[in-house]
Amino acid sequence: AQSVTQPDIHITVSEGASLELRCNYSYGATPYLFWYVQSPGQGLQLLLKYFSGDTLVQGIKGFEAEFKRSQSSFNLRKPSVHWSDAAEYFCAVGVWSGTYKYIFGTGTRLKVLA
Amino acid sequence: GAGVSQSPRYKVAKRGQDVALRCDPISGHVSLFWYQQALGQGPEFLTYFQNEAQLDKSGLPSDRFFAERPEGSVSTLKIQRTQQEDSAVYLCASSLTGGAIDEQFFGPGTRLTVL
Repeated sequence: AQSVTQPDIHITVSEGASLELRCNYSYGATPYLFWYVQSPGQGLQLLLKYFSGDTLVQGIKGFEAEFKRSQSSFNLRKPSVHWSDAAEYFCAVGVWSGTYKYIFGTGTRLKVLA
Repeated sequence: GAGVSQSPRYKVAKRGQDVALRCDPISGHVSLFWYQQALGQGPEFLTYFQNEAQLDKSGLPSDRFFAERPEGSVSTLKIQRTQQEDSAVYLCASSLTGGAIDEQFFGPGTRLTVL
């Protein structure tokens, strides 16, 4: 069965520190992978996506993610975190089962210390 | 134009009441999705429309849940005889075509609390 695992429920980092959020997926075919961010009271905003090609993907707000097929992972990274990055982050895989839909992980809540 | 909008933003219902949640997708977007996000969880797929056709309703948790998009634009998610386990944020998303490479744009959600 298709699934997405985000093993870290909460992460706390200091402003200016680097960040890595983990995501592992289970899907038999070539995955389409996404990272979304959700701020309180806001809808989900797409940070970046991977379909094919270069396994290192650049996104908005200085985020990047690396697809590693051998590890079934799509970890999100940022070299220097800003206080405004505090939010909840969701990894998702796009799957085809007659129609196309997303399967989301349970999310990682990021707290940024000043 | 504007993004995806949803109304109401908050809804409190007594158990057993019927509720209707509205989604206005981005103009011109063919595909529309509904998701349910329980507290502390990621969004879970409920149903998918392509224009007015409901092509996938495999995620609807029971026959108390019903969605429609009669003119291929605005969509309504209706929950009959609400139960406490229906308490969640209901998210609507739209995309230009619904294909794999299309970004889904999400609305702010409707937070439903069933007492």
